[in-house]
Amino acid sequence: EAQVTQNPRYLITVTGKKLTVTCSQNMNHEYMSWYRQDPGLGLRQIYYSMNVEVTDKGDVPEGYKVSRKEKRNFPLILESPSPNQTSLYFCASSSLVHDTDTQYFGPGTRLTVL
Amino acid sequence: TQLLEQSPQFLSIQEGENLTVYCNSSSVFSSLQWYRQEPGEGPVLLVTVVTGGEVKKLKRLTFQFGDARKDSSLHITAAQPGDTGLYLCAGGISNFGNEKLTFGTGTRLTIIP
Repeated sequence: EAQVTQNPRYLITVTGKKLTVTCSQNMNHEYMSWYRQDPGLGLRQIYYSMNVEVTDKGDVPEGYKVSRKEKRNFPLILESPSPNQTSLYFCASSSLVHDTDTQYFGPGTRLTVL
Repeated sequence: TQLLEQSPQFLSIQEGENLTVYCNSSSVFSSLQWYRQEPGEGPVLLVTVVTGGEVKKLKRLTFQFGDARKDSSLHITAAQPGDTGLYLCAGGISNFGNEKLTFGTGTRLTIIP
């Protein structure tokens, strides 16, 4: 089954404790992206990657890091989480073959930073 | 950063009624996508429009891309409880279409049986 998986689905942590949210896709997609979703602000792009070892900042990259060492994985790293990073995070992937290719979203990771 | 404003933000109507949701921007997009998101899940793509003036139909849902490619609308005919959800529009920029998407703030739709 074609899918994007994220782990963990739920995470409560404390300020300053480094964490990683994993994202994996099994569709051999070139493009992967991370978003955060906050009430009243919609989905905002954090980082995206066009292919292995190619990453770029989205609209709200501050406080986040990503890596793309393998095509299927795109982890999101919070080196020193702060309460304003409490949010619902989504990973997404798509092929870059056609303009209208579908972007597939993972189920989301709800992060709370105390 | 391009902004996409959706209206209304919330909409609650009776089953069987028609409704229209709007997505507006001052920026031009190469493509416009509509998603539906249900609680506890990620957004699911409904449709992509790429040509100014384009109209696409998906059963009872009709999507239109504005002539200037700055706005879009979603019209639902004879709404059903299964249509309940958060509807998001997203504008794509770049030649690859969805290389970078800017999402609207969403319209939360509730259909009352």
